[in-house]
Amino acid sequence: EAGVVQSPRYKIIEKKQPVAFWCNPISGHNTLYWYLQNLGQGPELLIRYENEEAVDDSQLPKDRFSAERLKGVDSTLKIQPAELGDSAVYLCASSPGHSYEQYFGPGTRLTVT
Amino acid sequence: AQKVTQAQTEISVVEKEDVTLDCVYETRDTTYYLFWYKQPPSGELVFLIRRNSFDEQNEISGRYSWNFQKSTSSFNFTITASQVVDSAVYFCALSPDRGSTLGRLYFGRGTQLTVWP
Repeated sequence: EAGVVQSPRYKIIEKKQPVAFWCNPISGHNTLYWYLQNLGQGPELLIRYENEEAVDDSQLPKDRFSAERLKGVDSTLKIQPAELGDSAVYLCASSPGHSYEQYFGPGTRLTVT
Repeated sequence: AQKVTQAQTEISVVEKEDVTLDCVYETRDTTYYLFWYKQPPSGELVFLIRRNSFDEQNEISGRYSWNFQKSTSSFNFTITASQVVDSAVYFCALSPDRGSTLGRLYFGRGTQLTVWP
């Protein structure tokens, strides 16, 4: 069974540019998560989806970050405009439900110059 | 508020030694889940174990074992006879089972384990 797929794996952009990350969860997993991981830290949740609905987005900086999960499968996370402090690894995870273990993708390493 | 503390930032051992990674958590919730994840140099987080707050039974899986003690809010992880392939960052995490942050994983800062041959 395929795991969580993310693309791109690496992205380098200049500040003030937009960037988008894509995630395809494990088939059948209704719950999808986006996490941010800074160097030397544990991941922190940005947003959680139950099917198409964003049910926990209190940690998402909505002035520059947006996310969508059309049709309750794939998801896209966008930053516009990017700032130097956004340099981090963006992780996508999925699970069969909110109380189950989460399976993580390989992440997208973003560098903002 | 939820908080997970992994006081050990880095641990180095020699192959075949046993090693214990500590995890202490704080929560006001009565129902929650505890997890351990492994993050090898490749970067992908690998799920190791999930434990329900009502289940304090210790668990053993091969060379891995977990000790959950609700009285001390600890969920420690022991690797027996460590191997070089165990070298990774290990994260402990807590997830509430109710409320607005239901399902959100709260991670500790991780423990970097290095196993030398």
